[in-house]
Parts: sequence; C-alpha cells; structure tokens
Amino acid sequence: SAVISQKPSRDICQRGTSLTIQCQVDSQVTMMFWYRQQPGQSLTLIATANQGSEATYESGFVIDKFPISRPNLTFSTLTVSNMSPEDSSIYLCSVLSDWTGELFFGEGSRLTVL
Amino acid sequence: EDQVTQSPEALRLQEGESSSLNCSYTVSGLRGLFWYRQDPGKGPEFLFTLYSAGEEKEKERLKATLTKKESFLHITAPKPEDSATYLCAVDNYGQNFVFGPGTRLSVLP
Repeated sequence: SAVISQKPSRDICQRGTSLTIQCQVDSQVTMMFWYRQQPGQSLTLIATANQGSEATYESGFVIDKFPISRPNLTFSTLTVSNMSPEDSSIYLCSVLSDWTGELFFGEGSRLTVL
Repeated sequence: EDQVTQSPEALRLQEGESSSLNCSYTVSGLRGLFWYRQDPGKGPEFLFTLYSAGEEKEKERLKATLTKKESFLHITAPKPEDSATYLCAVDNYGQNFVFGPGTRLSVLP
C-alpha cells in the first residue's frame, strides 16, 4: 500500500484567509484525489488532481475556491481559499493504486475556521 | 443514480458480542467493493476489497462477504479497540468511488 503524508495535520484559521494542504506519496501514482469530510458526514470528492493539467472538479466545487496543483506523480496541493466557517472539515488526499485499483488515504488535515 | 447505503447508522456491542454491518448498493456496474475503518480525526484505513458475488475476505476478527446487492462486515468477538466508523465504498468503473455514510461501532468493555 502507498504511504501518504499530509500536512498540516490540523490548523485553525481566520475567516477570509487561505490555507494550502500538501500531499506527498512515497511512490508514483497516476490518480490522486482530494476529498472533504464534514463533521459527522461521509466522504465527498472535491476533485481529481491531474498531473500536468488542470484538476477535474466535481459538481459543487470550483477552481477559484479549491485550486489544486499536481506538478508530478508523487505530490499535490489543495488550497482552500477565502475560508468561511462552513469550510471547517477534514480534507483528505487519496491515491488509487496503479497495481491493485485500491484507494488509499492520507491521515487528513483537520481545518477549523473561526 | 449510483447509491450506497449502510446500516445500522450506529451500533453498540458488548465486548465479545458478535454482529454484522450491512452495506447495500445500487450501481450501474461494480468493479469492486471496499471496506474501510476510520478512527476519529484520522483518514480511512483500507481493510478489504471484494470483486465478485460469493467472495469472502478475513482479517483478524473481521470477515467481509459480498452478494449481488450487498456486502456484510461480520465482527466476531469484538474488542473495545474495534470501535470506529466503518465505511464501505463502491468502484462503479466511474471517475470516483461512491461512499456510504458509515456505521459507527462502539464496543463496550
């Protein structure tokens, strides 16, 4: 299984600011994703991070609010822009194993917006 | 629309009291069904993948089974450390996995 490191693991931010979350994988993977998990809820896919091109966003998520970078096959960032308390969630990086088709997750970044 | 549901929403067991969690799915196609364990404030931890009806997988006190419409996660003689939220997800050959809402399991000593 892939080892996925996310940072920060948690942060408390002020309304109107932006925060960038980093995701580093210990091996090259084709497919990387960003999920959001709001308190008490299941996982919602934000976008697929495409290497060398713009991310593919799910309905309800836009690039201006959640810009994503994917400069290579082992690294991605998610920025949560102009934050409001409604953005308080756990943000999860995940990768799809090229060999087994299984989906693995990082430890998550718990974001609290005041 | 593809959908995954889980029941019960929450389950409280005494230590040693075996039980099962259910994951029902309605999808256009099934490449695989996945079970995860999630501890509070942590990312989901991969447990099992099931690919075809009749398949079973085991890991310690957990056994996952799959039919054409649902999957069960059987927990035998659970311990307090088995307390977590258990998520199932379906890969429907689409761009992403469809996740269920999860079952919160509490095992009391």
